[in-house]
Amino acid sequence: DQQVKQNSPSLSVQEGRISILNCDYTNSMFDYFLWYKKYPAEGPTFLISISSIKDKNEDGRFTVFLNKSAKHLSLHIVPSQPGDSAVYFCAASAQDFGNEKLTFGTGTRLTIIP
Amino acid sequence: NAGVTQTPKFQVLKTGQSMTLQCAQDMNHEYMSWYRQDPGMGLRLIHYSVGAGITDQGEVPNGYNVSRSTTEDFPLRLLSAAPSQTSVYFCASTQWGGPRRGTQYFGPGTRLLVL
Repeated sequence: DQQVKQNSPSLSVQEGRISILNCDYTNSMFDYFLWYKKYPAEGPTFLISISSIKDKNEDGRFTVFLNKSAKHLSLHIVPSQPGDSAVYFCAASAQDFGNEKLTFGTGTRLTIIP
Repeated sequence: NAGVTQTPKFQVLKTGQSMTLQCAQDMNHEYMSWYRQDPGMGLRLIHYSVGAGITDQGEVPNGYNVSRSTTEDFPLRLLSAAPSQTSVYFCASTQWGGPRRGTQYFGPGTRLLVL
């Protein structure tokens, strides 16, 4: 049972345009959400996160939006750059003292076209 | 700081062989975990540890053992390798309860092929 879903395996966007990556979750206990970026032959690296008490978090070109009622979050990248080409994983965690378990989505491969 | 290091980078095993994937971190993180990444499956949690001497199972623990004798090291043991364990394995660590909750730092991965 996939609790975190990324329904688009791949996405291609022109350089300079907006990239929007989507993620849906089913577990209502999730209260913290993260996006990780992964280049080939490297480990994932943290990109941006959002707590369930917020609906938006911004960091430079990256903005994450959370819609709790729809159990949906999205990552916006504006403007998209060639270096943004990577696999993006959505992840979620539930409040559990001493436990930082993350549940990951299946990933979306973003390709930025020059 | 070296961050999270993993050895080996690549390994080929025959079915039935055993091996240990090494993971070390120098950030004094209490929480460490092992994931496997398979095509179309994302990253799935194998085992995790909230501190030295404490380990627990994740989503896909069968066929794997872990131990945590020190804060720094968290080895993953394959008891009897099977082709289904062909995957890329990532170790991660974090300081739980910190201001950046859930922000795990990943190692570069170990690519394992079981024939």
